[in-house]
Amino acid sequence: DAGVIQSPRHEVTEMGQEVTLRCKPISGHNSLFWYRQTMMRGLELLIYFNNNVPIDDSGMPEDRFSAKMPNASFSTLKIQPSEPRDSAVYFCASREDRPTDTQYFGPGTRLTVL
Amino acid sequence: SQQGEEDPQALSIQEGENATMNCSYKTSINNLQWYRQNSGRGLVHLILIRSNEREKHSGRLRVTLDTSKKSSSLLITASRAADTASYFCATDANNQGGKLIFGQGTELSVKP
Repeated sequence: DAGVIQSPRHEVTEMGQEVTLRCKPISGHNSLFWYRQTMMRGLELLIYFNNNVPIDDSGMPEDRFSAKMPNASFSTLKIQPSEPRDSAVYFCASREDRPTDTQYFGPGTRLTVL
Repeated sequence: SQQGEEDPQALSIQEGENATMNCSYKTSINNLQWYRQNSGRGLVHLILIRSNEREKHSGRLRVTLDTSKKSSSLLITASRAADTASYFCATDANNQGGKLIFGQGTELSVKP
């Protein structure tokens, strides 16, 4: 298995632009998680899906952030409009619910908003 | 607030020495997991210990869990330069649907 795939790996954009991050979870995994990592705030859970349904989006910072999971093999995290404070590394992770409970992380997308 | 808090924040040791990192948490958990992150890379799962387990081993890793003290420790024996990384504990709290809450991490430096 290729593991969790994220694209792009790096994204540089200007303030006000729309940014879309993509994730392909491991085949057969039921849950998908989006995290954001910064030096100041560490690793924060933004939203997670179970069987393609958003379960908890309490970590989504504001309305500029939205996430979708149209099917079991694809998810997007969109920021519109982007701001410099959104600069961070965004990770996607997937998990096969029980018995392992282990989350497998993608390589991340490093986002820089100028 | 963070569920897991690691101690120390940074640790520097010589190759061959053992490294111990601690994690404290606040609420009841289903399991606790340890992850490693090399600089500029994603997180790699190391080991999971369930709330009814007290100790678990995986190669040179040993994890303990004390639910009465709400704490866990990760021991890396006979450390190698390649163990240099940040180590995070993450808790899967009860009634949280399986989401993990990560600590701030311990930055381990193993000098050859």
